[in-house]
Amino acid sequence: QQPVQSPQAVILREGEDAVINCSSSKALYSVHWYRQKHGEAPVFLMILLKGGEQKGHEKISASFNEKKQQSSLYLTASQLSYSGTYFCGTSTAGNKLTFGGGTRVLVKP
Amino acid sequence: DVKVTQSSRYLVKRTGEKVFLECVQDMDHENMFWYRQDPGLGLRLIYFSYDVKMKEKGDIPEGYSVSREKKERFSLILESASTNQTSMYLCASTSGTYQPQHFGDGTRLSIL
Repeated sequence: QQPVQSPQAVILREGEDAVINCSSSKALYSVHWYRQKHGEAPVFLMILLKGGEQKGHEKISASFNEKKQQSSLYLTASQLSYSGTYFCGTSTAGNKLTFGGGTRVLVKP
Repeated sequence: DVKVTQSSRYLVKRTGEKVFLECVQDMDHENMFWYRQDPGLGLRLIYFSYDVKMKEKGDIPEGYSVSREKKERFSLILESASTNQTSMYLCASTSGTYQPQHFGDGTRLSIL
């Protein structure tokens, strides 16, 4: 079963913040986050492992709440380059990832 | 940098044809994956392989098969293409458990 991402889409002005959530009904061991720009391949952002570790990539950070089986991606002081579709991928074990439906982010000047 | 190369960016085939999509990676990764991407559904795993000649079904394997004869190459086969297989197909590879997946640019396949 795919994890559920929310919101499905968000529009921001440059400099604003946003949060993208990824929820699963299964016990998770890891959560991956990727960003895909239109017409391009998804690009890896970060991995969070079981243990509630928080990570960061530029001004993008994420957290993993294993009790709630939920991860959140934080876009801080958004830039135009943050526009794209963000996907979470979850794993219960091993290399197999199950991806969410994606969250489309548009950052306007 | 890891390079994952898919043989075609765009492909148009007829219903009933046998279709081959090729993927090559240059980083000696053991694990390779095939996904299809449809609007609103994200990336769905079709098949993956963790070693040469090894394969495992993903979430939507029906109508597809795969081949991995060499470590660097992973092929997706549509045995008898149907219109509902029109989609974007993405290949990915990774070095191991809990490592980033590196994606190719995708093949947009249209079945007429």
